[in-house]
Amino acid sequence: GAVVSQHPSWVICKSGTSVKIECRSLDFQATTMFWYRQFPKQSLMLMATSNEGSKATYEQGVEKDKFLINHASLTLSTLTVTSAHPEDSSFYICSANAYVGVGETQYFGPGTRLLVL
Amino acid sequence: GQQVMQIPQYQHVQEGEDFTTYCNSSTTLSNIQWYKQRPGGHPVFLIQLVKSGEVKKQKRLTFQFGEAKKNSSLHITATQTTDVGTYFCFGNEKLTFGTGTRLTIIP
Repeated sequence: GAVVSQHPSWVICKSGTSVKIECRSLDFQATTMFWYRQFPKQSLMLMATSNEGSKATYEQGVEKDKFLINHASLTLSTLTVTSAHPEDSSFYICSANAYVGVGETQYFGPGTRLLVL
Repeated sequence: GQQVMQIPQYQHVQEGEDFTTYCNSSTTLSNIQWYKQRPGGHPVFLIQLVKSGEVKKQKRLTFQFGEAKKNSSLHITATQTTDVGTYFCFGNEKLTFGTGTRLTIIP
């Protein structure tokens, strides 16, 4: 089946530093990937849609200059949290579409837990 | 925008009891997906429903898609401790997750 990996699985950083998270589709090509954020005991919220070869589309309220997304190939999207602050501490999950059966299914990566001190 | 609500928010059941979570969308969905997230884990795809009124079963899990394609339910028969987690429905058009139902099991 479709497998999506993320790296790193967890990261602790100091306030003010930047953190890059990678999302890879391992056995399929993904022209579109998605980035979600999940705070404790809450649902997953879509942050942005990553499009291969073009600019990402950000959801309302998500700062594009803070959360830089690059989708340089059909199997890799990166999310960089710039100048991270404690309030950016969260669980970041990416997903990619794969066509299974009659329609699209989202396959999620294992997530990256970010803790900003 | 699309809103997808789930009830209940939390459910504590005795092991062996049944469990149901309901998902309601503010807009019609072309399909709906269900995911399970274990504590500390990531969402894992369970099933996709496409047709109006569709019912699908996976062992002790029964999934239904409403006739109007705006609501769905997940029913677990005779819960086991391995069923612990949060269950989310997901509307693919707007990439919107439901608010989730957290299931805990009392052994």
